[in-house]
Amino acid sequence: NAGVTQTPKFRVLKTGQSMTLLCAQDMNHEYMYWYRQDPGMGLRLIHYSVGEGTTAKGEVPDGYNVSRLKKQNFLLGLESAAPSQTSVYFCASSYGLPWANVLTFGAGSRLTVL
Amino acid sequence: GDSVTQMEGPVTLSEEAFLTINCTYTATGYPSLFWYVQYPGEGLQLLLKATKADDKGSNKGFEATYRKETTSFHLEKGSVQVSDSAVYFCALRGAQGAQKLVFGQGTRLTINP
Repeated sequence: NAGVTQTPKFRVLKTGQSMTLLCAQDMNHEYMYWYRQDPGMGLRLIHYSVGEGTTAKGEVPDGYNVSRLKKQNFLLGLESAAPSQTSVYFCASSYGLPWANVLTFGAGSRLTVL
Repeated sequence: GDSVTQMEGPVTLSEEAFLTINCTYTATGYPSLFWYVQYPGEGLQLLLKATKADDKGSNKGFEATYRKETTSFHLEKGSVQVSDSAVYFCALRGAQGAQKLVFGQGTRLTINP
């Protein structure tokens, strides 16, 4: 019963470095999402996908890229990390409409950019 | 656009106290409303939901009623426990087939024994 798995759980980067966060789900969900969580700001949607091969911008997409080459995986990339991207990143997934409101979340990935 | 506003935290209560966490929203049409809970070190989990006006969602002793006239979805529990300590997020999914949730900023709740 893995659900949604995020790797890595923790990462420290220097400004300008690149990295990729991996999200994997084993529930055959159509929709996948990347959120960032910052103190006092709740969760903000970065990018999302409504199916394999599709991606769309969320509320705060700048500085991030995503890919959904396989239905079960959703990758979040930072090409040139900045201190403003220090945050906790959550991946989530759901069935398609009309069940898109019930999200299953991963445990989070804490990223620090120095 | 759609938005959710929650009461400022943190909230600290004693065990067995009554809890209210306020949530108001702005949306067009008839959104669906949710409360998610995040326990320490974990991802968010759905706590309860309501999909139309006057619906009451309930789970684990928590309740929230969808009030369209006041655009509110306040979370209540009659007697809180230490294990209820967590961060609570109010969220909405807009009408007309909106594909994503909009979250409030979260309210941290601490229950002391």
